[in-house]
Amino acid sequence: KQEVTQIPAALSVPEGENLVLNCSFTDSAIYNLQWFRQDPGKGLTSLLLIQSSQREQTSGRLNASLDKSSGRSTLYIAASQPGDSATYLCAVSPGTASKLTFGTGTRLQVTL
Amino acid sequence: NAGVTQTPKFQVLKTGQSMTLQCAQDMNHEYMSWYRQDPGMGLRLIHYSVGAGITDQGEVPNGYNVSRSTTEDFPLRLLSAAPSQTSVYFCASNIGGGAGSKTQYFGPGTRLLVL
Repeated sequence: KQEVTQIPAALSVPEGENLVLNCSFTDSAIYNLQWFRQDPGKGLTSLLLIQSSQREQTSGRLNASLDKSSGRSTLYIAASQPGDSATYLCAVSPGTASKLTFGTGTRLQVTL
Repeated sequence: NAGVTQTPKFQVLKTGQSMTLQCAQDMNHEYMSWYRQDPGMGLRLIHYSVGAGITDQGEVPNGYNVSRSTTEDFPLRLLSAAPSQTSVYFCASNIGGGAGSKTQYFGPGTRLLVL
C-alpha cells in the first residue's frame, strides 16, 4: 500500500526566506505527483504536476522536483510572502485513473 | 467555467439519516472522484468514476454509494449516517483519457456533522 509522508508538519518562516517542503512515498511505481495548496476552510488548488518521466516543474516562484528512485519530491518556494501561508499537500497517482494518495500536508506560515 | 461545484456547503445530520452530497463539473472531464478529509489523516479516496456508468471503490467506501448517470454529475449518497462520517468531503475531476497532464480540480468541499 502506497504511503505518503510530508515533513515537517508545520513550518514558520520570515518573509523573504527561501524554503523547501519535503514529500516521500513508499512505492516508486507512480504515474505522476502533484503539489496542492489548501487555504483554511477551502478546497485544494493544484500548483504543479510532475509526470513520472520528468525531473522537475516550475511555476513562478515554485519549483518541484521528483526523484522516483528514492521516492522523494521537494517543493521549493523562493522569496516567500505572507500570501504563501497555507497548507501544502503532495499526492501521488498510480496510473491514469488518477486515484490519488495524499500526504497529511505541511502547514506553512510566513511572517512579516 | 464554474469548475467543480459542490452542494451543500455545510450539513448537520442525525445518526441514521440519509442524504446526498451533490457534485457537478462543467469541464467535460471523464474522471471524477470523492475524497474525505479528516484531521491528521489527509485526504482519502471514497469512490471514483472513469466515465458515465462506470464507478469503483476507493480506500474507504463503506457507508457510501455513488452513481454516474451523466458526465457532469457524480453524487455521493450516505445511506445511514454515523458519527464516524463527520468529515469534510471533496469532489474532484480530471480530464482522464490517455497520455497527458492529469491535473486534478477540486470543489470547495462539503462540511458534514453527524450527531
